[in-house]
Amino acid sequence: LAKTTQPISMDSYEGQEVNITCSHNNIATNDYITWYQQFPSQGPRFIIQGYKTKVTNEVASLFIPADRKSSTLSLPRVSLSDTAVYYCLVGGPHNAGNMLTFGGGTRLMVKP
Amino acid sequence: NAGVTQTPKFQVLKTGQSMTLQCAQDMNHNSMYWYRQDPGMGLRLIYYSASEGTTDKGEVPNGYNVSRLNKREFSLRLESAAPSQTSVYFCASSEVLAGEQFFGPGTRLTVL
Repeated sequence: LAKTTQPISMDSYEGQEVNITCSHNNIATNDYITWYQQFPSQGPRFIIQGYKTKVTNEVASLFIPADRKSSTLSLPRVSLSDTAVYYCLVGGPHNAGNMLTFGGGTRLMVKP
Repeated sequence: NAGVTQTPKFQVLKTGQSMTLQCAQDMNHNSMYWYRQDPGMGLRLIYYSASEGTTDKGEVPNGYNVSRLNKREFSLRLESAAPSQTSVYFCASSEVLAGEQFFGPGTRLTVL
């Protein structure tokens, strides 16, 4: 299984850009990288998914280097409402077990 | 379009009692999942159903049973509740196995 490693927690301030890095040294050729966000007392919510290079949507950007052994979720100009846990998952339908393993995630605290 | 709904929202059981958690999705998704989340921890997969008519064990299936009643509904049953099953239970669905998952609001279960 492709194991992922993320920082346990991060602090930031409103208006700053936050970058959360995930290491996945054993990523397989067909694996995708997916990030979820979870607010307290809610289920996780899909943020972004990518395979290589850069993916951007209205919420975040995902940067994936050429070797794909890590990825960085970038949240531009965070606000207090971005305080949440962020999970990095690596896998795909061919490797369902990985995509269904959430791990501990990264607890982001945004301060005023 | 309600997405994923779960009932009940809260439940208190005594040790040894049984109960069924209900989950339904209206997105015509093929795959459905049950997770549990203990305080301060990530989600752990209990059971999943890749498609109607199939179910498979996840990481922590002991003490639970599931039924994929039809394409919309996926229930989780605790036959003899134990205090170790005190947790928040999330149901999720996705169009394909291990694809983007949509989560329900969760059921907070306490076993005394």
